[in-house]
Amino acid sequence: DGGITQSPKYLFRKEGQNVTLSCEQNLNHDAMYWYRQDPGQGLRLIYYSQIVNDFQKGDIAEGYSVSREKKESFPLTVTSAQKNPTAFYLCASSHRTSNYGYTFGSGTRLTVV
Amino acid sequence: EDQVTQSPEALRLQEGESSSLNCSYTVSGLRGLFWYRQDPGKGPEFLFTLYSAGEEKEKERLKATLTKKESFLHITAPKPEDSATYLCAVDNAGNMLTFGGGTRLMVKP
Repeated sequence: DGGITQSPKYLFRKEGQNVTLSCEQNLNHDAMYWYRQDPGQGLRLIYYSQIVNDFQKGDIAEGYSVSREKKESFPLTVTSAQKNPTAFYLCASSHRTSNYGYTFGSGTRLTVV
Repeated sequence: EDQVTQSPEALRLQEGESSSLNCSYTVSGLRGLFWYRQDPGKGPEFLFTLYSAGEEKEKERLKATLTKKESFLHITAPKPEDSATYLCAVDNAGNMLTFGGGTRLMVKP
């Protein structure tokens, strides 16, 4: 079955540590996105990529970095510069002509310990 | 700048008590309006796409409608399993979605 897979489901980060969240899709979608969701809040865009080897900052990119070396993969690194990283992170993908908007992964919950 | 506002933020209903969720939007050129359902700790799941004013889509107890300024998600005779957060988003033809803050629906048995 085609889909979008995020791993791990839960992640714990120590102060000053960088962590990387994985996002893989086998839908042959061109575009991929990373969102952050805080409790009771909507989705805030961190980074997006519409083609391989190219990506753009979203509304809250500070303290995060991404890469898009393959069409299927769009990993997100939460760096030590992100002062409040505890949140639920969602990855999504889309095709240019999709009638369904985005397909979302199941999310990664990151907690600072 | 595109904007999407959902109301209410939270809605408590008794089982069988019908109601509506609102999504107001301003967008330079609407290519589509999307509704998603999100369960706690999971990613949003696609419900409907609406493209033009006057369009309606139905799925089980849900019906989505669209005007030039807003969309409604009508829930008829809801059941506890309809409890979730419902998200609205608009596409302005740039292949980018702008999301509203969501409405958290709780249906009590």
